[in-house]
Amino acid sequence: AQKITQTQPGMFVQEKEAVTLDCTYDTSDQSYGLFWYKQPSSGEMIFLIYQGSYDEQNATEGRYSLNFQKARKSANLVISASQLGDSAMYFCAMRMDTGRRALTFGSGTRLQVQP
Amino acid sequence: DARVTQTPRHKVTEMGQEVTMRCQPILGHNTVFWYRQTMMQGLELLAYFRNRAPLDDSGMPKDRFSAEMPDATLATLKIQPSEPRDSAVYFCASGLVHGRRGNQPQHFGDGTRLSIL
Repeated sequence: AQKITQTQPGMFVQEKEAVTLDCTYDTSDQSYGLFWYKQPSSGEMIFLIYQGSYDEQNATEGRYSLNFQKARKSANLVISASQLGDSAMYFCAMRMDTGRRALTFGSGTRLQVQP
Repeated sequence: DARVTQTPRHKVTEMGQEVTMRCQPILGHNTVFWYRQTMMQGLELLAYFRNRAPLDDSGMPKDRFSAEMPDATLATLKIQPSEPRDSAVYFCASGLVHGRRGNQPQHFGDGTRLSIL
């Protein structure tokens, strides 16, 4: 079974600063993908970034980057230059590349960006 | 941009009533998922379809929940009879899965916020 752990229920960051949201995972599979989603207060789930288990380079998408450390089974999300609009819940999720293709989600981290 | 469309956005009804939630996946996507989000359980999978065939509904209470894909443009999730503990946000997501690597993200609809009184 797969498990995602997000140990930070809430985080605060000053506007324009960088912030790291932690995510660790547990799986015995070798081939999998890691995803981060953002859920603003309006409720929708917005895909942010993907990292494959065989990708050698850390994924980046604009101000988002994923600090992937496979040996430590961690996939932390880094948001650079935080903006007020980044205030939201952030979910880390994992999906196996074989068999069940559904996402397993962590419990989420609520990020609040302060002016 | 293509979007997953869910209806209704909000539903309030009394316990015992039938509830039907609908989802139009993104054209060309071959997988559809139903997730439920609650404060206590977080996001959990209810059902999963690939090429319209149900592959996994182990997360769904079988006695009252049913999920179908009558065609490629419509997925439905029904609850009959509904109970207060079914109150949650129900998300539909679709994605494209081909081959071994799963680098295509799932795209979520805006969800149905269900309240059972």
